[in-house]
Amino acid sequence: GAGVSQSPSNKVTEKGKDVELRCDPISGHTALYWYRQSLGQGLEFLIYFQGNSAPDKSGLPSDRFSAERTGGSVSTLTIQRTQQEDSAVYLCASSFWGLGEQYFGPGTRLTVT
Amino acid sequence: EDQVTQSPEALRLQEGESSSLNCSYTVSGLRGLFWYRQDPGKGPEFLFTLYSAGEEKEKERLKATLTKKESFLHITAPKPEDSATYLCAVQVQGGSEKLVFGKGTKLTVNP
Repeated sequence: GAGVSQSPSNKVTEKGKDVELRCDPISGHTALYWYRQSLGQGLEFLIYFQGNSAPDKSGLPSDRFSAERTGGSVSTLTIQRTQQEDSAVYLCASSFWGLGEQYFGPGTRLTVT
Repeated sequence: EDQVTQSPEALRLQEGESSSLNCSYTVSGLRGLFWYRQDPGKGPEFLFTLYSAGEEKEKERLKATLTKKESFLHITAPKPEDSATYLCAVQVQGGSEKLVFGKGTKLTVNP
């Protein structure tokens, strides 16, 4: 079946602009995660959605970052007033009920100039 | 604080030269330990999940093992196509379902 998809694959934006990143999880997966991978750093957790429960936002680095998940499926990560330090690869993953392995999408490479 | 440390940071092997990658972890309680493979420009690809000390999983030339403090990814007779970055991650009991990742081991297998 289809895996996790993300769009766009690459995004170049100017400092101060807002960006939206999209994630389509694997069909039937109830849990969805966003991570960030910066050069030389490990994957850093950002936010986690599970069904209709309140999301775990504990990894969001600042209030410029927000995410929503509509209809229990597609998710959008929004970064407002982008800064150069936001440049990274943003990865989305999904899993069945939050247990066990998470399956990752190809990522969105964000470059803030 | 939950931590995952992988070593070495980089490893170069000749084709057929077996070796092991290490993942040591410090967590309040382990729910599961995960190994992923990541190729350049791609998202991590799931390899194994280990849940309890003594558990082992195998897939082709790869074998993952788990103790109470660390995990090893053994690579037997590697081939150039095994070249990738291998990531280790833990999921902690009683907390969020998030994964805590190490920084990875970049493996290069020369023909």
